Amino acid sequence: NAGVTQTPKFQVLKTGQSMTLQCAQDMNHEYMSWYRQDPGMGLRLIHYSVGAGITDQGEVPNGYNVSRSTTEDFPLRLLSAAPSQTSVYFCASSLRGWDTDTQYFGPGTRLTVL
Amino acid sequence: DQQVKQNSPSLSVQEGRISILNCDYTNSMFDYFLWYKKYPAEGPTFLISISSIKDKNEDGRFTVFLNKSAKHLSLHIVPSQPGDSAVYFCAASVSGGYQKVTFGTGTKLQVIP
Repeated sequence: NAGVTQTPKFQVLKTGQSMTLQCAQDMNHEYMSWYRQDPGMGLRLIHYSVGAGITDQGEVPNGYNVSRSTTEDFPLRLLSAAPSQTSVYFCASSLRGWDTDTQYFGPGTRLTVL
Repeated sequence: DQQVKQNSPSLSVQEGRISILNCDYTNSMFDYFLWYKKYPAEGPTFLISISSIKDKNEDGRFTVFLNKSAKHLSLHIVPSQPGDSAVYFCAASVSGGYQKVTFGTGTKLQVIP
């Protein structure tokens, strides 16, 4: 199993550009989520999904869109990038999203918005 | 408003000694707590967890203690090894719903050989 994979590893955008961060898992997990990590702050939840076709907002959803058309994939879209979105983004998955389920994280995408 | 706080950004410990990482939380609704370990250029990895019905959970060299009245938890690593050098995140959630985990800011542990 590859676990949770994220692409790209690094990305530089200009303000106003759009892009999609890809996330995939091969563990047949129902629950997937996106976090961002900023200096001096913990990981903050952006969006999550409890299954194909079902998504919901986390703590910091503004400026980001998600969809979940398959169990395996959970892309994160930035429609109009802003410098405030410069961050490291982590995707995670767990079996059902219960507290006792282990969350597996991808290696992260480091995004810089100029 | 940082609901989960790790007030020590870094900690250095000699190999073989005990490492104690601390975490405080303010939200009294939190009842499930976790510790994650993160190496550079990798995602966090789950280490150990504890439910609020317990005050201690042990897994090998790692023990987590929970003091609900003080809203404080700690992670003990005994004995510390150089491979334990990493950033450790404390995290908390409210059970009964989906995993909406609140993370602390992390403590960077350096274990000196």
